[in-house]
Amino acid sequence: AQTVTQSQPEMSVQEAETVTLSCTYDTSESDYYLFWYKQPPSRQMILVIRQEAYKQQNATENRFSVNFQKAAKSFSLKISDSQLGDAAMYFCASSNEKLTFGTGTRLTIIP
Amino acid sequence: AAGVIQSPRHLIKEKRETATLKCYPIPRHDTVYWYQQGPGQDPQFLISFYEKMQSDKGSIPDRFSAQQFSDYHSELNMSSLELGDSALYFCASSLRTSGEYQETQYFGPGTRLLVL
Repeated sequence: AQTVTQSQPEMSVQEAETVTLSCTYDTSESDYYLFWYKQPPSRQMILVIRQEAYKQQNATENRFSVNFQKAAKSFSLKISDSQLGDAAMYFCASSNEKLTFGTGTRLTIIP
Repeated sequence: AAGVIQSPRHLIKEKRETATLKCYPIPRHDTVYWYQQGPGQDPQFLISFYEKMQSDKGSIPDRFSAQQFSDYHSELNMSSLELGDSALYFCASSLRTSGEYQETQYFGPGTRLLVL
Protein backbone atom coordinates (compact mmCIF):
# COMPACT_ATOMS: atom_id res chain seq x y z
CA ALA A 1 0.00 0.00 0.00
CA GLN A 2 1.11 3.52 -0.67
CA THR A 3 0.39 6.67 1.31
CA VAL A 4 1.08 10.28 0.39
CA THR A 5 1.03 13.16 2.85
CA GLN A 6 0.85 16.86 2.05
CA SER A 7 1.03 18.77 5.30
CA GLN A 8 0.35 22.23 3.86
CA PRO A 9 -3.35 22.67 3.05
CA GLU A 10 -2.73 26.21 1.80
CA MET A 11 0.26 28.25 0.69
CA SER A 12 0.63 31.72 -0.76
CA VAL A 13 3.47 33.44 -2.57
CA GLN A 14 4.12 36.83 -4.05
CA GLU A 15 4.20 36.97 -7.82
CA ALA A 16 7.75 36.40 -9.18
CA GLU A 17 8.89 34.82 -5.91
CA THR A 18 9.75 31.18 -5.20
CA VAL A 19 7.63 28.73 -3.24
CA THR A 20 8.18 25.14 -2.13
CA LEU A 21 5.37 22.65 -1.62
CA SER A 22 6.08 19.67 0.63
CA CYS A 23 5.20 16.02 0.14
CA THR A 24 6.16 12.82 1.92
CA TYR A 25 5.22 9.34 0.89
CA ASP A 26 5.48 5.76 2.00
CA THR A 27 5.62 2.70 -0.19
CA SER A 28 6.81 -0.88 0.00
CA GLU A 29 7.50 -0.96 -3.73
CA SER A 30 11.05 -0.84 -5.07
CA ASP A 31 10.02 0.57 -8.44
CA TYR A 32 7.72 3.54 -8.37
CA TYR A 33 7.15 6.98 -9.81
CA LEU A 34 6.32 10.27 -8.18
CA PHE A 35 4.29 13.06 -9.72
CA TRP A 36 3.02 16.53 -9.11
CA TYR A 37 -0.31 17.38 -10.71
CA LYS A 38 -1.92 20.79 -10.84
CA GLN A 39 -5.68 21.27 -10.67
CA PRO A 40 -6.83 24.83 -11.51
CA PRO A 41 -10.39 26.02 -10.93
CA SER A 42 -11.44 24.29 -14.17
CA ARG A 43 -10.64 21.05 -12.24
CA GLN A 44 -8.59 19.66 -15.11
CA MET A 45 -5.72 17.49 -13.79
CA ILE A 46 -2.53 18.72 -15.40
CA LEU A 47 0.81 16.97 -15.08
CA VAL A 48 3.49 19.30 -13.74
CA ILE A 49 6.50 17.05 -13.28
CA ARG A 50 7.47 13.43 -12.82
CA GLN A 51 10.32 11.63 -11.06
CA GLU A 52 11.43 8.03 -11.46
CA ALA A 53 12.43 6.61 -8.08
CA TYR A 54 15.50 4.88 -9.51
CA LYS A 55 16.92 8.16 -10.76
CA GLN A 56 18.96 10.18 -8.29
CA GLN A 57 18.90 13.32 -10.39
CA ASN A 58 16.09 15.71 -9.52
CA ALA A 59 13.60 16.35 -12.31
CA THR A 60 13.14 19.87 -13.68
CA GLU A 61 10.59 21.35 -16.07
CA ASN A 62 11.21 25.01 -16.80
CA ARG A 63 10.23 26.92 -13.62
CA PHE A 64 9.31 23.72 -11.79
CA SER A 65 11.81 21.47 -10.03
CA VAL A 66 11.71 18.80 -7.37
CA ASN A 67 13.85 17.90 -4.40
CA PHE A 68 13.67 14.11 -4.24
CA GLN A 69 15.10 12.59 -1.06
CA LYS A 70 14.56 8.86 -1.44
CA ALA A 71 15.85 7.79 1.96
CA ALA A 72 13.64 10.36 3.67
CA LYS A 73 10.74 9.57 1.31
CA SER A 74 10.36 13.25 0.58
CA PHE A 75 9.35 14.81 -2.74
CA SER A 76 8.96 18.58 -2.63
CA LEU A 77 8.05 20.87 -5.54
CA LYS A 78 9.75 24.21 -6.06
CA ILE A 79 8.09 26.82 -8.26
CA SER A 80 10.39 29.65 -9.30
CA ASP A 81 9.28 33.04 -10.62
CA SER A 82 5.68 32.36 -9.59
CA GLN A 83 3.03 33.54 -12.03
CA LEU A 84 -0.66 34.27 -11.60
CA GLY A 85 -1.45 31.23 -13.75
CA ASP A 86 0.26 28.99 -11.18
CA ALA A 87 -2.65 29.47 -8.79
CA ALA A 88 -4.23 26.05 -8.34
CA MET A 89 -4.53 23.00 -6.13
CA TYR A 90 -1.36 20.95 -6.32
CA PHE A 91 -1.48 17.21 -5.72
CA CYS A 92 1.51 15.03 -5.03
CA ALA A 93 1.06 11.43 -6.13
CA SER A 94 2.96 8.17 -6.00
CA SER A 95 2.50 5.34 -8.41
CA ASN A 96 3.11 1.73 -9.03
CA GLU A 97 0.45 1.44 -11.69
CA LYS A 98 -2.41 3.26 -9.93
CA LEU A 99 -1.93 6.76 -8.55
CA THR A 100 -2.24 7.47 -4.85
CA PHE A 101 -2.74 11.17 -4.18
CA GLY A 102 -2.08 13.41 -1.23
CA THR A 103 -4.79 15.72 0.04
CA GLY A 104 -3.45 18.65 -1.94
CA THR A 105 -2.03 22.12 -1.31
CA ARG A 106 -3.98 25.15 -2.49
CA LEU A 107 -1.52 27.71 -3.86
CA THR A 108 -2.49 31.37 -4.03
CA ILE A 109 -0.42 33.88 -5.99
CA ILE A 110 -0.40 37.41 -4.59
CA PRO A 111 -0.04 40.07 -7.29
CA ALA B 1 -1.58 16.67 -29.55
CA ALA B 2 -4.61 14.49 -28.98
CA GLY B 3 -5.78 14.24 -25.39
CA VAL B 4 -8.03 11.93 -23.41
CA ILE B 5 -11.67 12.46 -24.32
CA GLN B 6 -14.48 11.90 -21.86
CA SER B 7 -18.20 12.03 -22.47
CA PRO B 8 -20.51 13.35 -21.36
CA ARG B 9 -18.85 16.29 -19.62
CA HIS B 10 -21.86 16.85 -17.37
CA LEU B 11 -24.56 14.45 -16.27
CA ILE B 12 -27.54 14.86 -14.00
CA LYS B 13 -29.34 11.76 -12.76
CA GLU B 14 -31.97 10.86 -10.20
CA LYS B 15 -31.37 8.43 -7.34
CA ARG B 16 -31.58 4.78 -8.36
CA GLU B 17 -31.00 5.61 -12.02
CA THR B 18 -28.08 4.31 -14.10
CA ALA B 19 -25.30 6.21 -15.82
CA THR B 20 -22.64 5.33 -18.39
CA LEU B 21 -19.44 7.32 -18.65
CA LYS B 22 -17.20 6.96 -21.66
CA CYS B 23 -13.47 7.45 -22.06
CA TYR B 24 -11.39 7.58 -25.23
CA PRO B 25 -7.66 7.31 -24.41
CA ILE B 26 -4.84 9.04 -26.19
CA PRO B 27 -4.12 7.18 -29.46
CA ARG B 28 -1.72 4.23 -28.95
CA HIS B 29 -2.21 4.25 -25.18
CA ASP B 30 -3.04 0.78 -23.94
CA THR B 31 -3.97 1.42 -20.30
CA VAL B 32 -6.99 3.22 -18.90
CA TYR B 33 -7.64 4.27 -15.30
CA TRP B 34 -10.79 5.59 -13.65
CA TYR B 35 -10.74 7.92 -10.64
CA GLN B 36 -13.48 9.50 -8.55
CA GLN B 37 -12.99 12.94 -6.99
CA GLY B 38 -15.58 14.06 -4.46
CA PRO B 39 -16.00 17.73 -3.53
CA GLY B 40 -12.91 19.03 -1.75
CA GLN B 41 -11.19 15.64 -1.93
CA ASP B 42 -8.29 14.10 -3.77
CA PRO B 43 -8.95 11.67 -6.61
CA GLN B 44 -9.51 8.07 -5.56
CA PHE B 45 -8.60 5.16 -7.82
CA LEU B 46 -11.51 3.01 -8.95
CA ILE B 47 -10.30 0.54 -11.57
CA SER B 48 -7.84 0.11 -14.43
CA PHE B 49 -7.52 -1.87 -17.64
CA TYR B 50 -4.50 -2.94 -19.62
CA GLU B 51 -4.94 -4.40 -23.08
CA LYS B 52 -8.67 -4.83 -22.45
CA MET B 53 -8.17 -6.85 -19.28
CA GLN B 54 -8.86 -5.57 -15.78
CA SER B 55 -5.49 -4.68 -14.32
CA ASP B 56 -6.20 -3.38 -10.83
CA LYS B 57 -9.19 -2.61 -8.68
CA GLY B 58 -9.57 0.02 -6.00
CA SER B 59 -12.48 1.35 -4.00
CA ILE B 60 -15.10 0.73 -6.67
CA PRO B 61 -18.60 -0.07 -5.40
CA ASP B 62 -20.20 -3.31 -6.53
CA ARG B 63 -22.88 -1.16 -8.21
CA PHE B 64 -20.24 0.03 -10.65
CA SER B 65 -18.72 -1.96 -13.47
CA ALA B 66 -16.33 -1.09 -16.24
CA GLN B 67 -14.73 -2.54 -19.31
CA GLN B 68 -12.26 -1.70 -22.03
CA PHE B 69 -13.18 -2.42 -25.62
CA SER B 70 -11.18 -3.59 -28.63
CA ASP B 71 -10.57 0.01 -29.73
CA TYR B 72 -9.22 0.71 -26.19
CA HIS B 73 -12.02 3.03 -25.21
CA SER B 74 -13.52 2.33 -21.81
CA GLU B 75 -16.93 2.70 -20.22
CA LEU B 76 -17.84 3.02 -16.55
CA ASN B 77 -21.34 1.81 -15.81
CA MET B 78 -22.97 3.00 -12.61
CA SER B 79 -26.26 1.55 -11.40
CA SER B 80 -28.60 2.31 -8.50
CA LEU B 81 -27.09 5.75 -8.20
CA GLU B 82 -26.88 7.30 -4.74
CA LEU B 83 -26.50 10.92 -3.67
CA GLY B 84 -22.96 10.13 -2.57
CA ASP B 85 -21.99 9.18 -6.11
CA SER B 86 -22.06 12.87 -7.06
CA ALA B 87 -18.47 13.59 -8.00
CA LEU B 88 -16.03 14.34 -10.77
CA TYR B 89 -15.03 11.17 -12.58
CA PHE B 90 -11.69 11.19 -14.31
CA CYS B 91 -10.35 8.85 -16.90
CA ALA B 92 -6.60 8.73 -17.46
CA SER B 93 -4.57 6.86 -20.02
CA SER B 94 -0.96 5.75 -20.32
CA LEU B 95 1.30 3.64 -22.47
CA ARG B 96 2.69 0.74 -20.47
CA THR B 97 5.98 0.04 -22.14
CA SER B 98 7.32 -3.52 -21.93
CA GLY B 99 4.32 -4.53 -19.82
CA GLU B 100 6.18 -3.69 -16.63
CA TYR B 101 6.82 -0.02 -16.16
CA GLN B 102 4.08 2.48 -16.16
CA GLU B 103 4.35 5.59 -18.18
CA THR B 104 2.81 8.85 -17.13
CA GLN B 105 -0.96 9.01 -16.75
CA TYR B 106 -2.65 11.78 -18.70
CA PHE B 107 -6.06 12.83 -17.49
CA GLY B 108 -9.20 13.68 -19.39
CA PRO B 109 -11.31 16.72 -18.47
CA GLY B 110 -13.61 14.62 -16.30
CA THR B 111 -17.33 13.97 -16.19
CA ARG B 112 -19.25 15.88 -13.53
CA LEU B 113 -22.02 13.66 -12.21
CA LEU B 114 -24.76 15.11 -10.08
CA VAL B 115 -27.24 12.74 -8.48
CA LEU B 116 -30.46 14.34 -7.27
